[in-house]
Amino acid sequence: SQTIHQWPATLVQPVGSPLSLECTVEGTSNPNLYWYRQAAGRGLQLLFYSVGIGQISSEVPQNLSASRPQDRQFILSSKKLLLSDSGFYLCAWSPTRGPEAFFGQGTRLTVV
Amino acid sequence: DAKTTQPPSMDCAEGRAANLPCNHSTISGNEYVYWYRQIHSQGPQYIIHGLKNNETNEMASLIITEDRKSSTLILPHATLRDTAVYYCIVNRDDKIIFGKGTRLHILP
Repeated sequence: SQTIHQWPATLVQPVGSPLSLECTVEGTSNPNLYWYRQAAGRGLQLLFYSVGIGQISSEVPQNLSASRPQDRQFILSSKKLLLSDSGFYLCAWSPTRGPEAFFGQGTRLTVV
Repeated sequence: DAKTTQPPSMDCAEGRAANLPCNHSTISGNEYVYWYRQIHSQGPQYIIHGLKNNETNEMASLIITEDRKSSTLILPHATLRDTAVYYCIVNRDDKIIFGKGTRLHILP
């Protein structure tokens, strides 16, 4: 069966520090991968999605970036965090030919 | 932009059927309707999807109107654990865009 791993579960980082969140999927090949952010009390915002290695589409211009160095690995990064980067970050995958997406448990990031 | 419109909140008595509406008047012929829900502090959970025909699984039923401009998610016997935000999504490409959803409160 397919599983998605996302870590860490919680993170507290100072303003201006770098960020690296990692997400890996097991049990499937060539999945579509997604990063979402949910600010407190707000909806889910699609940040990046990827349909293959090295193929990244950015939905919202900001100080975040994403990379997909391997088929089942998706990394969200920032060189310098802002207070506004605080939120609940979710990674998800979907089959290439399937409509449903499956989400990780999320990382709650607090920038202080 | 989300292509769907949902009421911001709804109440349902425990044990009754919860009927959550969604309008998607600009849906294209090859676009699916998906439903997800998000329980507080968790990631969204896929519920069901459909294209033209009504669908049913162990979680819910999806009723799509003949003109495909609206749909209804039905939770046949709502429980307190069904309290969540329910999202109706329409898309055919690789992006999955969430709108604001409907916050469903199940009342004991």
